[in-house]
Amino acid sequence: EADIYQTPRYLVIGTGKKITLECSQTMGHDKMYWYQQDPGMELHLIHYSYGVNSTEKGDLSSESTVSRIRTEHFPLTLESARPSHTSQYLCASSDPQGGNQPQHFGDGTRLSIL
Amino acid sequence: DQQVKQNSPSLSVQEGRISILNCDYTNSMFDYFLWYKKYPAEGPTFLISISSIKDKNEDGRFTVFLNKSAKHLSLHIVPSQPGDSAVYFCAATGANSKLTFGKGITLSVRP
Repeated sequence: EADIYQTPRYLVIGTGKKITLECSQTMGHDKMYWYQQDPGMELHLIHYSYGVNSTEKGDLSSESTVSRIRTEHFPLTLESARPSHTSQYLCASSDPQGGNQPQHFGDGTRLSIL
Repeated sequence: DQQVKQNSPSLSVQEGRISILNCDYTNSMFDYFLWYKKYPAEGPTFLISISSIKDKNEDGRFTVFLNKSAKHLSLHIVPSQPGDSAVYFCAATGANSKLTFGKGITLSVRP
């Protein structure tokens, strides 16, 4: 069972602010992911990483950026928040060893930009 | 274009009865399929998965069936319990390990 933590759980903040959403996992997983989900909709992959210093854009275009300096840490940053960034952001990780492995999710950050 | 479709937005069943949640996919390159359960204000929790080399996988009350020719999978929950009430997401992946999700179905189990 993966332990993956996201902070903050909820964030309400004004337009134009810089935001960093934190994601950490304690299982040593190489693969980590960020998803964006709006109510009633599917999860969309916005960023992923297959290891330290590896980051890729996902299927849904996002103005956010990510970094992967340490295996356990995969923060997401919005340089200047806008109301269109209001959404739920979910972080996940998976163990690439042994073939197909499920992704394990954190509890998400619900972001509201005023 | 949605590659994973959960066409029913909700399902209501009586406690003790069977719940059948359906999912269709269009991408023939998908070879691994998963079901996640999500409670409000929590992240999705992995429930059960199936590889394309199988047509059935069972774990306790949960069974997933895969029909590759029809590009269809279903999750059966027997017997259904009130604690099963949640949103269930179907997901699929191929060689790149990136998950593609459906929109989810809200299951309500009535006591």
